[in-house]
Amino acid sequence: GENVEQHPSTLSVQEGDSAVIKCTYSDSASNYFPWYKQELGKRPQLIIDIRSNVGEKKDQRIAVTLNKTAKHFSLHITETQPEDSAVYFCVTGTASKLTFGTGTRLQVTL
Amino acid sequence: DVKVTQSSRYLVKRTGEKVFLECVQDMDHENMFWYRQDPGLGLRLIYFSYDVKMKEKGDIPEGYSVSREKKERFSLILESASTNQTSMYLCASSFYRGPFGQFFGPGTRLTVL
Repeated sequence: GENVEQHPSTLSVQEGDSAVIKCTYSDSASNYFPWYKQELGKRPQLIIDIRSNVGEKKDQRIAVTLNKTAKHFSLHITETQPEDSAVYFCVTGTASKLTFGTGTRLQVTL
Repeated sequence: DVKVTQSSRYLVKRTGEKVFLECVQDMDHENMFWYRQDPGLGLRLIYFSYDVKMKEKGDIPEGYSVSREKKERFSLILESASTNQTSMYLCASSFYRGPFGQFFGPGTRLTVL
């Protein structure tokens, strides 16, 4: 089955700095790559997604990149703010299901 | 707004008890999913369903079963709860079959004593 590895497991940045989370996957059939954010005590929420025919997508301060050949994808958050503090999950999707990474706990300090 | 609700936020059961976790979505979504979330392991898929009375095993189905009698409701059943099933259980739904984003419920934290 699919194996999604996510790094780092924890990340601490100062407010205003950038944060990068990286993931690798194993299943070449994966063609959908969403990212979920889970704030403490809350449900995971979809924040951005990218499909395999696109290499990069940006939405305000958040961008995702995908290298399908290398089976790598990344989340970039610029100008981080305290409300960005949460656990972020990279996810791969096929026609039938999603597979989640183990999560990155991002802490944005003042 | 998509609304996915789960019957309980917190549940405490004893080893050997039969446990029912209920999930309801109000957006006429075709697909429903059950995950468990454990620290350091992310979310792992237990079972999913693409249609009424249909179910498919996910990555960790052992010790669980599911029921989908109506489109809006998907139940997770622990036939005989064990302590290693202590976890956060999350239900999700999505409209289209295939690789699309899923909307999650608030979760049920189950403790098995």
